[in-house]
Order: sequence, then structure tokens, then C-alpha cells
Amino acid sequence: DQQVKQNSPSLSVQEGRISILNCDYTNSMFDYFLWYKKYPAEGPTFLISISSIKDKNEDGRFTVFLNKSAKHLSLHIVPSQPGDSAVYFCAASAHWGGSEKLVFGKGTKLTVNP
Amino acid sequence: NAGVTQTPKFQVLKTGQSMTLQCAQDMNHEYMSWYRQDPGMGLRLIHYSVGAGITDQGEVPNGYNVSRSTTEDFPLRLLSAAPSQTSVYFCASSIIPLREDLLGQETQYFGPGTRLLVL
Repeated sequence: DQQVKQNSPSLSVQEGRISILNCDYTNSMFDYFLWYKKYPAEGPTFLISISSIKDKNEDGRFTVFLNKSAKHLSLHIVPSQPGDSAVYFCAASAHWGGSEKLVFGKGTKLTVNP
Repeated sequence: NAGVTQTPKFQVLKTGQSMTLQCAQDMNHEYMSWYRQDPGMGLRLIHYSVGAGITDQGEVPNGYNVSRSTTEDFPLRLLSAAPSQTSVYFCASSIIPLREDLLGQETQYFGPGTRLLVL
């Protein structure tokens, strides 16, 4: 039973265009969502996060949107750059005031073509 | 400040052998965890610890043991390795509990990973 789903295993976009990575979750108790970026042979690195009290969080070229009613979040990268090519993991956490357990999606491999 | 370190980077084991994957952090984080990453499976939580002397199971704990005798170290033990344990293992440490002033910031840090091959 997968609580965090990234249904697209891969995505390919042209440099300069928008990349949209999607993530769905099933557990309504999740109240904090994160995106991680992972290059080959390296550990995941934090990219951006959003609390359930917000519907948008922006950091430079990266914006995360949260639609709680649809239990859906998305990561927008504008403009996309070749260096953004990596695997992106969506993660969700419940009750951030207590013990943290992150549940990860399976990841989406983004390829940005020059 | 080295962050989260893992050793070894790569290991080959024969079925039935035992080994310990080492993880250490120098950020004084209370929360540490172990994940495994397999193709098409994302990151799955094996065990985690919310502080020295406290450990708990994650999603896929079978075949692994952990202990947390110090805040800094969180070793993962494979008592009898199996080919199904071939994977890349990541250790992570976190600030807990998350505070409102930390929202939006990086709070969980991952190590570089240990690639394990069990023959």
C-alpha cells in the first residue's frame, strides 16, 4: 500500500521550458511535504518543502504547489536547466511536532535536454 | 562539520556473511534513520532512532538490526546477508521535532550511501 505515489518514472523536457513533477498521497494525516533531488552515486539532498497550511511555496526557480483536497502536490522548475537532470523524490511526513517518519515516493527521473 | 558520513562506500558479501554499515553525524541530531534504495522502489525506511538508546522499526526492518549507544553513531547490522539485501543504503539524520521556524529549511541530511552487493 503505497502512501506516496509518483506515477511518472521519468520526464524529459527541453532546456528553458517548465518541468512539472507530480506526487499524490493517500494519508490525510500527512501535514508536511518535501522534495528531494538525487544525483547518481550521491545521497538525496533537500530541495524545497511545504506545510499543509500553505498551498504554495517558492524558492527561486522551484515552486511547490499543494492541493489538499486532491491530495496532490507538484514541483515546478522554471526555467529548467541541464543541471536539474536528476531523480526527484517526493516525501511526506505526519505531525511534524512529534516523531518524524518520512514516507517517500518511488522517484521521477528528470532529464533536461540542452 | 562533516555532516553525515557512511562507511564503507561499497561492499561485496557472500550469502550468510555478516557486516555492519557505519553511520555517523556531527550535527548533534537526535533523529537518525536508515533507508534502502532499490530500482523502481524509491527510498524505504529500515529502522530509525529518535535518540540514544531508542530505536524502532521502519517499513522494511527484517534482516537488519540497529543500536544507538551514542547520539553520533547509528550502525546498521546485517547478521546473515541475503541476495535480497543487495541495495544502496542511505543513512540520514534530522532535527526533531520540526519547529515552525524550521519549516521550509533543510532538516534531514543524507549520507553519501553504501552500495552493497550480496552474492
